[in-house]
Amino acid sequence: QVQLQESGPGLVKPSETLSLSCTVSGGSISGYYWSWIRQSPGRGLEWIGNMYYSGSTNYNPSLESRVTMSVDTSKNHFSLKLNSVTDADTAVYFCARGQLWLRLWGQGLSVTVSS
Amino acid sequence: DIQMTQSPSSLSASVGARVTITCQASQAISKNLNWYQQKPGKAPKVLICDAINLETGVPSRFSGSGSGTHFTFTINSLQPEDIGTYYCQQFDTVPYTFGQGTKLEIK
Repeated sequence: QVQLQESGPGLVKPSETLSLSCTVSGGSISGYYWSWIRQSPGRGLEWIGNMYYSGSTNYNPSLESRVTMSVDTSKNHFSLKLNSVTDADTAVYFCARGQLWLRLWGQGLSVTVSS
Repeated sequence: DIQMTQSPSSLSASVGARVTITCQASQAISKNLNWYQQKPGKAPKVLICDAINLETGVPSRFSGSGSGTHFTFTINSLQPEDIGTYYCQQFDTVPYTFGQGTKLEIK
């Protein structure tokens, strides 16, 4: 069955760029929307944005100036970059399949922003 | 942003009890609402889509109702495996937003 797996560094320094990937296994990335959501004790669940496999994106306006999402259909994965991070960006980051109904999620990756 | 206000923030109920969680949107969102269940250390799992539609494979003791600004999520006959935190999420307007969660425990 289709599975999603987040990967990336678990520790990022303040002001640097957080870069995460989500690998799709057991199915194709084509034909779907893909989303990023994060969760922290202070902010709860927060929708970061989504993108269609063809490249069109929707970002949370509160993060839009710092977020870039991309997809690599040849590698069957999609990515999230969040620049100029602060400790407020410390969270568990989830990737998910879907635009409006998030029916398939990765297990989540804990990212801490700290020097 | 549309604010989603859930209540209660936590509740404890006995096995077999009926449990109700409410979610209030700060503006009308039609039926553009999902309900998720999250267990500790796991990703959320969608249970109800479009306010009232039970996802495939989800037990029929779960149900949702409402439209506009007021929504209700119900578990009929609570089971031990239903413990976790439940969230509503609106997908009417970007940014999609979640409620703060309702932590459900067994009494």
